[in-house]
Amino acid sequence: QSVLTQPPSVSAAPGQKVTISCSGSSSNIGNNYVSWYQQLPGTAPKLLIYDNNKRPSGIPDRFSGSKSGTSATLGITGLQTGDEADYYCGTWDSSLSAGGDVVFGGGTKLTVL
Amino acid sequence: QVQLVQSGAEVKKPGASVKVSCKVSGYTLTELSMHWVRQAPGKGLEWMGGFDPEDGETIYAQKFQGRVTMTEDTSTDTAYMELSSLRSEDTAVYYCATCYAPSCAFDIWGQGTMVTVSS
Repeated sequence: QSVLTQPPSVSAAPGQKVTISCSGSSSNIGNNYVSWYQQLPGTAPKLLIYDNNKRPSGIPDRFSGSKSGTSATLGITGLQTGDEADYYCGTWDSSLSAGGDVVFGGGTKLTVL
Repeated sequence: QVQLVQSGAEVKKPGASVKVSCKVSGYTLTELSMHWVRQAPGKGLEWMGGFDPEDGETIYAQKFQGRVTMTEDTSTDTAYMELSSLRSEDTAVYYCATCYAPSCAFDIWGQGTMVTVSS
C-alpha cells in the first residue's frame, strides 16, 4: 500500500480536461514539494511537474500542478490520445526514517476515450 | 544535456546478488545527486535510496537497509546499485535517476534495467 493515495484510473474524451488527485499527510505532502511523473507504456517515467507547480523545459502548459494542505492535483487540459499513460505523484516523507524517504503514489492510469 | 545509460538485463537465482550500473554523460557524476527507483511488473514506483548532497552521505529506504549498496566511480562517471540476498519479489525494472534539489524531483532517468530473480 502506497503512502500517497491516487485514484487507480481516470478517463476523459479527447480535448477535455482531467484532474488526478494525490492525497497524503503532514509528514509528506503537507510539508514538502510535490512532483508528478508521466510513464508511457514500456518507457521510463518522465518528470512533468516539480516543486508543486513548475514545469520543466519542454513540458507543455496543458499540464499543471497545484497543492493545498496535504493534497496535490495534476491537471491536464486539451487531452490527446498520446496522453494515455500512468501518472505518479512523489514527495519526501519525514516519518519513515531519520533521513527521510522519497515516496510515490500508487499511480493513476489515464484513458483518453 | 545529461544522459543516463544503464547496464543490460540480468537473470539471477534466489540468494544471489546483482550489480546494476548507470553511466552519466553530459555532466560529471559529482555534479549530480543520483538515486535508484524500482518498479515491479505491473506495479508502481518504489524509491530505494540515493546520494544526499547536504550530508554527503548515501541514504537508503528502510526496506532495503542492509541489503542494498549504492556506490559511485567518479573516474568513469558511473553509479552502481548492488542488491544482495535476492528473492523473487525483487524481480523488477531498476532505474537510476537524478534528483533535482531541494525537492528531489527526479528530472533525468536511465532507460531501466530488468532484473529477474528465478530459480
